[in-house]
Amino acid sequence: DVKVTQSSRYLVKRTGEKVFLECVQDMDHENMFWYRQDPGLGLRLIYFSYDVKMKEKGDIPEGYSVSREKKERFSLILESASTNQTSMYLCASDRPRGGYQPQHFGDGTRLSIL
Amino acid sequence: AQTVTQSQPEMSVQEAETVTLSCTYDTSESDYYLFWYKQPPSRQMILVIRQEAYKQQNATENRFSVNFQKAAKSFSLKISDSQLGDAAMYFCPIYGEGAQKLVFGQGTRLTINP
Repeated sequence: DVKVTQSSRYLVKRTGEKVFLECVQDMDHENMFWYRQDPGLGLRLIYFSYDVKMKEKGDIPEGYSVSREKKERFSLILESASTNQTSMYLCASDRPRGGYQPQHFGDGTRLSIL
Repeated sequence: AQTVTQSQPEMSVQEAETVTLSCTYDTSESDYYLFWYKQPPSRQMILVIRQEAYKQQNATENRFSVNFQKAAKSFSLKISDSQLGDAAMYFCPIYGEGAQKLVFGQGTRLTINP
């Protein structure tokens, strides 16, 4: 069965800390995505990557960066965490070529910034 | 640009009854897909049903069916014989072949009353 794994289910950090959220997929998917989920706003795309070492800004990239050194791993980085980054973060992956297949999601990381 | 609107923040239905969740969208793309995902309290995003825009026939998956009105840009989900396990947040993202990313609406929280 396909799997997208996020390193932490819950995470508590302090304002100003550098925070890393890790995501690994075992499906050999080209594309990987980071979303932020907030009540009443649905899922909003932060960054995505369509290949190793490639990245594209999504709709809300400010305050975030990403890293994709290997095909299966996509990291989201909060350079200097702030309280307004308290949220649920979801990672996903898909394969666009050979006919689109729906995105598979991880279980999410609920991040609290104190 | 693509947008999705889910105008019902919350819905409730009695167990075994039928409920319809609404979704409207806007897109400039000619090739696109529409999906319904459910997100139960466990947080795992689960694909419920998919619809290719070029197909006129409405998709069905067991108790779940869609009413796809392409001209009206409407994509509603009907759940028949509602079960307690259907309680979840429901999202109806759109995927455009040009944009190659999902765009989500605000979501609808569905409650099943025993």
